[in-house]
Amino acid sequence: KNQVEQSPQSLIILEGKNCTLQCNYTVSPFSNLRWYKQDTGRGPVSLTIMTFSENTKSNGRYTATLDADTKQSSLHITASQLSDSASYICVVRKADSSYKLIFGSGTRLLVRP
Amino acid sequence: NAGVMQNPRHLVRRRGQEARLRCSPMKGHSHVYWYRQLPEEGLKFMVYLQKENIIDESGMPKERFSAEFPKEGPSILRIQQVVRGDSAAYFCASSPTGAQTEAFFGQGTRLTVV
Repeated sequence: KNQVEQSPQSLIILEGKNCTLQCNYTVSPFSNLRWYKQDTGRGPVSLTIMTFSENTKSNGRYTATLDADTKQSSLHITASQLSDSASYICVVRKADSSYKLIFGSGTRLLVRP
Repeated sequence: NAGVMQNPRHLVRRRGQEARLRCSPMKGHSHVYWYRQLPEEGLKFMVYLQKENIIDESGMPKERFSAEFPKEGPSILRIQQVVRGDSAAYFCASSPTGAQTEAFFGQGTRLTVV
């Protein structure tokens, strides 16, 4: 079982609508959680980082939440644009000496006009 | 400070040949990660290296694949005797030391085995 699970696997929404992507993790010990955006054919780019003590963080139209007790994070996209079409990847970093990054398999978002 | 540089961006190899993928981390970064991405799938961890050391290679196939990150020069992911199933995008990420630091990704090398 993957230590970072994302849902849904894929999502289609109309331009202008909101959506929420989910990430559940079992990684321990936990250091931080990042959401990355990967456009087709390109490398992932970080959107936001959440540490243990942070509950909510916004970056423009992106808002990430973290519940460290239930080990759940969400990424909410407001007023979606066509350029939001991409894969969104949840990445959890271990707090041990390895600093290993554990990747979720991503949510593929398609925004239609 | 240039970003993570991967080369070549595209690589075509015939079955049985060797593929060498290079990753130059960002200046000052001592941690390198390699990931493989098959078409329509997510990133799969392969190997994590620090300068001159392999820290975790649990995601790398035991045969034909090897990785190194020498004291000087780029990190190299080497695939010997390539097969069609090796066709994928290979991404490298680098980060400095520290748990709170961000890992930056390169643009990937797309390997096609014909």
